[in-house]
Formats: sequence, structure tokens, C-alpha cells
Amino acid sequence: GAVVSQHPSWVICKSGTSVKIECRSLDFQATTMFWYRQFPKQSLMLMATSNEGSKATYEQGVEKDKFLINHASLTLSTLTVTSAHPEDSSFYICSAREVGRNTIYFGEGSWLTVV
Amino acid sequence: AQSVTQLGSHVSVSEGALVLLRCNYSSSVPPYLFWYVQYPNQGLQLLLKYTTGATLVKGINGFEAEFKKSETSFHLTKPSAHMSDAAEYFCAVSESNTDKLIFGTGTRLQVFP
Repeated sequence: GAVVSQHPSWVICKSGTSVKIECRSLDFQATTMFWYRQFPKQSLMLMATSNEGSKATYEQGVEKDKFLINHASLTLSTLTVTSAHPEDSSFYICSAREVGRNTIYFGEGSWLTVV
Repeated sequence: AQSVTQLGSHVSVSEGALVLLRCNYSSSVPPYLFWYVQYPNQGLQLLLKYTTGATLVKGINGFEAEFKKSETSFHLTKPSAHMSDAAEYFCAVSESNTDKLIFGTGTRLQVFP
């Protein structure tokens, strides 16, 4: 079946630095990818919708200058957390919509810890 | 606007017992409904989904859910729990099959031997 891969699975970064998380669709093309965030023991909250070749659409309350999303190809979207702070520590998970099929696949998620 | 409410953040059952995880939704348009499972330190796996048509939906691992419009519910059931069913379960609603998902707060299922 279709696979969505996220990298890195785990990352620890220092406060004030930036970290990039990749979301790749391995065997299909995805014009749309979604980025979610899950705080410990909470539900997943949609951060933004990433569209290939255009600007991402951010949900209310999500800072677009802090969470930079780039969807430069049909198989890759990246989320960059800029000037990370400990409160950004969370589980970030992406999903991808397969072109021409009514199916969404989730990645395995990426754990970010900011120290 | 859409929302999802999952009653019970924790559910514990004995192995072999019935599993019932509750989900109620709110939607101003005909909803698409989903159940996902998340095992520890892993991503989300789709269990089943309701789009249109038959209201009783069968999914993987013996799970099923019934869409009840009159009750705005989409409860997840499994006749006989296995130890391997222990995980976090999320109910979600969407306006389409491929749109953004609005998730409930999740229910952690524990299965005791």
C-alpha cells in the first residue's frame, strides 16, 4: 500500500534554533499534504494545508512565519519550525492526499523536543 | 463548522469482552467519518470510514462502526477484544473523503488478560 514517510522520526534541538521535518510520499504523488500537531495526551490539531506549487493555508492561531511549510514537489512537503522554543515540543504528523484517488495516508510522525 | 466528541478518555476491557468506543459529531454538512488507531510511538492507521451508503461500516482487525444520523453518532465496536487492540483510538470528521480532518480527543483502550 501507499506509504508516507517522515524524517526525522525523533529530533532534539536547542532553543532558538530551527528544525526541518520532511514528509514524503514514497510511491504516489500528492498535490495536497496536511500537517498536524499533537501535544502529549491530546488530540491532533491541523496546523496547515500544503499545496504543491503554492502557499500553504494555515489554520487560525498557527503562526505562518514560525512554521514554514514548503511543498516544492509532488512527493515532498517540509515543515520548518523556526526559532524553536520548548513549548514547540510536540508530535508532528503529516498526511498526504493521493492524486486521482480519494485516499489520505498518514506518516509515522516526528517527535520534536526543544531543550 | 465540524466537531467531534469522544466520551471517555480511557476504556478498559478484559480480553474477549466487547469493545465500545463512543463518538459523537457535529456537522453542518453531510459528514464523512473516520476511526483511526495509534499504537505507541507510531503514526495513525485508518480503521474504517463512512462516506455514503451503508451505515454499518466494517473495518480492519474486526472493528466496525455504525453511522446514526439521528443520534449524530459513529461508535466503534468489536465483539471480542484482543490484547493487541490496546492503543489510542481517534474519531474524526471531515467534509469530504480527502479534506482536512477534525479529530476527537482520543480514547485510550486498555485490554486486560
